[in-house]
Amino acid sequence: DAKTTQPNSMESNEEEPVHLPCNHSTISGTDYIHWYRQLPSQGPEYVIHGLTSNVNNRMASLAIAEDRKSSTLILHRATLRDAAVYYCIRQAGGFKTIFGAGTRLFVKA
Amino acid sequence: NAGVTQTPKFRVLKTGQSMTLLCAQDMNHEYMYWYRQDPGMGLRLIHYSVGEGTTAKGEVPDGYNVSRLKKQNFLLGLESAAPSQTSVYFCASGGSRETQYFGPGTRLLVL
Repeated sequence: DAKTTQPNSMESNEEEPVHLPCNHSTISGTDYIHWYRQLPSQGPEYVIHGLTSNVNNRMASLAIAEDRKSSTLILHRATLRDAAVYYCIRQAGGFKTIFGAGTRLFVKA
Repeated sequence: NAGVTQTPKFRVLKTGQSMTLLCAQDMNHEYMYWYRQDPGMGLRLIHYSVGEGTTAKGEVPDGYNVSRLKKQNFLLGLESAAPSQTSVYFCASGGSRETQYFGPGTRLLVL
């Protein structure tokens, strides 16, 4: 099963860091871990991806466990505009990207 | 650079009617995808294309057909719409298998 496991929802205060967990215990060695987010009434937006090493970009950081069975998306300072559904996706071989239900992030002012 | 655009934005169909959804991208991407998203759910892959003239089935292909006659366009057709096809349809394109760029979506209501 190529699906990942994420909490249904999380809450954060504005200006504080947010750690969004994802479990992908059946991941294989060549699968990438991708994160997308979807703001209300919009299409998903690419956030970050990685294979083995931790990754940083202007939007977020991705911390990947050493055994690759889990990962964490880190938003360093949450803003109200970060309120969205965050999808953790295991990019298995081929093109059949499988989205789960994602984590709905609520950000409180 | 418009990215990925979708036409139309919203459509209402009666059961049995047909329609075509158009997706266009100006990023010269090889890969294009059609997804559907039902309320409260994640996206499910309908069909995809790895290049001009090629198409392949995704997770939920039944009731849909696609064509990729030009590299920049990917068409999704519903030959005989059913209420179960009421959904939001997203098109995406990508220059590699790793990253996809999504359009704004088409809301389809089938009565």
